[in-house]
Amino acid sequence: GAVVSQHPSRVICKSGTSVKIECRSLDFQATTMFWYRQFPKQSLMLMATSNEGSKATYEQGVEKDKFLINHASLTLSTLTVTSAHPEDSSFYICSARVSGVWNIQYFGAGTRLSVL
Amino acid sequence: AQTVTQSQPEMSVQEAETVTLSCTYDTSENNYYLFWYKQPPSRQMILVIRQEAYKQQNATENRFSVNFQKAAKSFSLKISDSQLGDTAMYFCAFMIGYTGNQFYFGTGTSLTVIP
Repeated sequence: GAVVSQHPSRVICKSGTSVKIECRSLDFQATTMFWYRQFPKQSLMLMATSNEGSKATYEQGVEKDKFLINHASLTLSTLTVTSAHPEDSSFYICSARVSGVWNIQYFGAGTRLSVL
Repeated sequence: AQTVTQSQPEMSVQEAETVTLSCTYDTSENNYYLFWYKQPPSRQMILVIRQEAYKQQNATENRFSVNFQKAAKSFSLKISDSQLGDTAMYFCAFMIGYTGNQFYFGTGTSLTVIP
């Protein structure tokens, strides 16, 4: 099956620093990628939809200036958590939709962010 | 609004037995897809099975099958011959067929297969 690589898998940072998480589709083009946040023992909550070459669409309640998304190519989307605080600690997961095939998505393995 | 409900937070099953996980959803759309995803301790989301709403025939994938009742908006997952590797969190998910293609996830069911 198709592979979505998410990096890093784990990051620990100090409060106030920024953290960048990468999501790459390794063997297919992904016009659209999605970023989710998952709290312990809870479901995945969609944060934003990332479209190649255009601005991301954020879900209600998600601060766009806090969670910067860039989708500069058909295989890469990045999520930057700016000025991270302990409440941003969470598990972040990306998924990538196969270009031209709207109903197939593949998930990355997730990134655990811990802000001290 | 689209909602997905999984009423069983935790379930357990003996190895080699059969277990059914429940899922109901609510939507006014006619064109949609339903999915079951598995999230093992590694946290990697793995597609288990999917169902097109316009198909009456229930989807099957080896030991996994669904009971799709469109009128009742019910989409349960049956796991036959349960294996230890089936231990995971299972999420039911819903996707509208023509919009932004985002998933709407249920709250999950934690399944433990007991040796």
